[in-house]
Amino acid sequence: SQQGEEDPQALSIQEGENATMNCSYKTSINNLQWYRQNSGRGLVHLILIRSNEREKHSGRLRVTLDTSKKSSSLLITASRAADTASYFCATASMNTGFQKLVFGTGTRLLVSP
Amino acid sequence: GAVVSQHPSRVICKSGTSVKIECRSLDFQATTMFWYRQFPKQSLMLMATSNEGSKATYEQGVEKDKFLINHASLTLSTLTVTSAHPEDSSFYICSASRQGRGRTEAFFGQGTRLTVV
Repeated sequence: SQQGEEDPQALSIQEGENATMNCSYKTSINNLQWYRQNSGRGLVHLILIRSNEREKHSGRLRVTLDTSKKSSSLLITASRAADTASYFCATASMNTGFQKLVFGTGTRLLVSP
Repeated sequence: GAVVSQHPSRVICKSGTSVKIECRSLDFQATTMFWYRQFPKQSLMLMATSNEGSKATYEQGVEKDKFLINHASLTLSTLTVTSAHPEDSSFYICSASRQGRGRTEAFFGQGTRLTVV
């Protein structure tokens, strides 16, 4: 399976705390993306980081990418109850024609008020 | 941003019947769409790549005769689960790709919850 791994599988924190999720993947990539999914809903694109980038910010989100370790992390700062969701990383590579995304196993985040 | 609409959002069907799920790109043309399956508390697994005007490409282990895909136009792909059984119950999500800003962007539908009874 080419599926990436994410850890932790589940994370429970209090509002205001930071949440860090990690993703590891197996192949060379063109870019890595992070998505959010509320229970039973579709996916919302959060942020994309290219293979030649090491860090990217978007609002309260900070993503890092280490291609030598084939890993990425997503940091959500000052978390809110509304951040409760599952978070998935997904990679695109030349091997799969760039368009096909391979998803990680996901992290379920619970932010308590 | 681009919108992908998936219909229906929920469907319950009897064993042995077929169910059709539609995926539409509302404001862009999508030559390629993707169909994913997601079991509870698990990740998305790619089932097949839907190509406009040609046959779909199925991932290993996915039965093409069981999951029929038709991509008849640049804005519509359909997934038909034929002779559905309870083990086909799952959450199915489509995505459509759009070229732009030097990269390919994927937009996801809202998903379809299929329950086979």
